[in-house]
Amino acid sequence: GDSVTQMEGPVTLSEEAFLTINCTYTATGYPSLFWYVQYPGEGLQLLLKATKADDKGSNKGFEATYRKETTSFHLEKGSVQVSDSAVYFCALSPSMEYGNKLVFGAGTILRVKS
Amino acid sequence: DAGVIQSPRHEVTEMGQEVTLRCKPISGHNSLFWYRQTMMRGLELLIYFNNNVPIDDSGMPEDRFSAKMPNASFSTLKIQPSEPRDSAVYFCASSTSPSSYNEQFFGPGTRLTVL
Repeated sequence: GDSVTQMEGPVTLSEEAFLTINCTYTATGYPSLFWYVQYPGEGLQLLLKATKADDKGSNKGFEATYRKETTSFHLEKGSVQVSDSAVYFCALSPSMEYGNKLVFGAGTILRVKS
Repeated sequence: DAGVIQSPRHEVTEMGQEVTLRCKPISGHNSLFWYRQTMMRGLELLIYFNNNVPIDDSGMPEDRFSAKMPNASFSTLKIQPSEPRDSAVYFCASSTSPSSYNEQFFGPGTRLTVL
């Protein structure tokens, strides 16, 4: 079945460091790919998305490129801030099924120190 | 826009009791999703509706769980009887249509503790 694998956390970085969170997926067809972020005590919010191969999603300095050849959608940010501390979820929405249910990775905790 | 509204935000109950979680999706959204989040299993889709009709309930753990969507602006998730292993954060989400491209908007969640 469809699945998403994320790098395990927590990831701890100093402010202004470069961030990469790896995400790979298994799916049939051409899924849409998403990164969601969850701040403490809140629900998930969409951070960025890409709906076809080679698309780059970007938002708030974060970006990720849909790589079909490596089935990956790695999240990157050039300079993290303390306010980026949160849990980041990679997710896919299968293209072969009716509806847009999401399959989530396990989540990666990011801690940014000042 | 008020966003997805869930109630209660916190629920503490004793094993064997009935628990009802409520969700009001964003007005105009046609798809509604219920998720459960635990440390052990992460985020799991329990059930989702499109135009008030359940489309996929394969994630519902067992017969103790049931979900309804009587109209476009309200859904419930019921657990009867509740067990300690049901303790989790339950999220409701909605989206504009069943397209795989569409963003889901999440509510703040209900933290359920079953003693």
